[in-house]
Amino acid sequence: EIVLTQSPGTLSLSPGERATLSCRASQSVTSSYLAWYQQKAGQAPRLLIYAASSRVTGIPDRFSGSGSGTDFTLTITRLEPEDFAVYYCQQYGSSPVSFGQGTKLEIK
Amino acid sequence: EVQLLESGGGLVQPGGSLRLSCAASGFTFSSYSMTWVRQAPGKGLEWVSLVTATGRTTYYAGSVKGRFTISRDNSKNTLFLQMSSLRAEDTAVYYCAKEEGSCGGGCYSLSDYWGQGTLVTVSS
Repeated sequence: EIVLTQSPGTLSLSPGERATLSCRASQSVTSSYLAWYQQKAGQAPRLLIYAASSRVTGIPDRFSGSGSGTDFTLTITRLEPEDFAVYYCQQYGSSPVSFGQGTKLEIK
Repeated sequence: EVQLLESGGGLVQPGGSLRLSCAASGFTFSSYSMTWVRQAPGKGLEWVSLVTATGRTTYYAGSVKGRFTISRDNSKNTLFLQMSSLRAEDTAVYYCAKEEGSCGGGCYSLSDYWGQGTLVTVSS
């Protein structure tokens, strides 16, 4: 089973700043099948990025993903107020599928 | 518009059973794998189970294998999760989710649409 470790656990930033979220896998992620989801309180998760760097249609281009193998990054440039939420990475290349424990992005 | 509506959650005693349903609309249900993901109160996301489009192949998390059964009725556009031998640690919001479809069956549970979830509470 692939274990995903996200860092930091909490990130405190101000609107307009740049956010860099990390996701590290315990073994290589098959075909870079790594996704990022955003979840706001009381809502279902929302898919942002898949295949490590492909942005879902309709997701603003301030969201970008990068990485391969075991190290992946979600970058949000110029934070907007609506971006403050919890972000999860997910590997979906092998079963069992696994999620990271989440990074909470909070307003400083 | 894709819609996923879960139902069947509630309060159940430890050792009991419950069946969750997820009614799907707005897409060709029989063409997509479907997934259950759960989230314990205040905790992160946990993948539970996946069923392929035809229903012939299923996958489970180790924590539920042997106790939960995923199935689907493509004629009724409905996904199910039969849960038995429930434990306190199964308490969570259970989400059903639709496969995104970009990896053509070569991956598992990349989910582009999610329901709003149904709460299962296991307690005496």
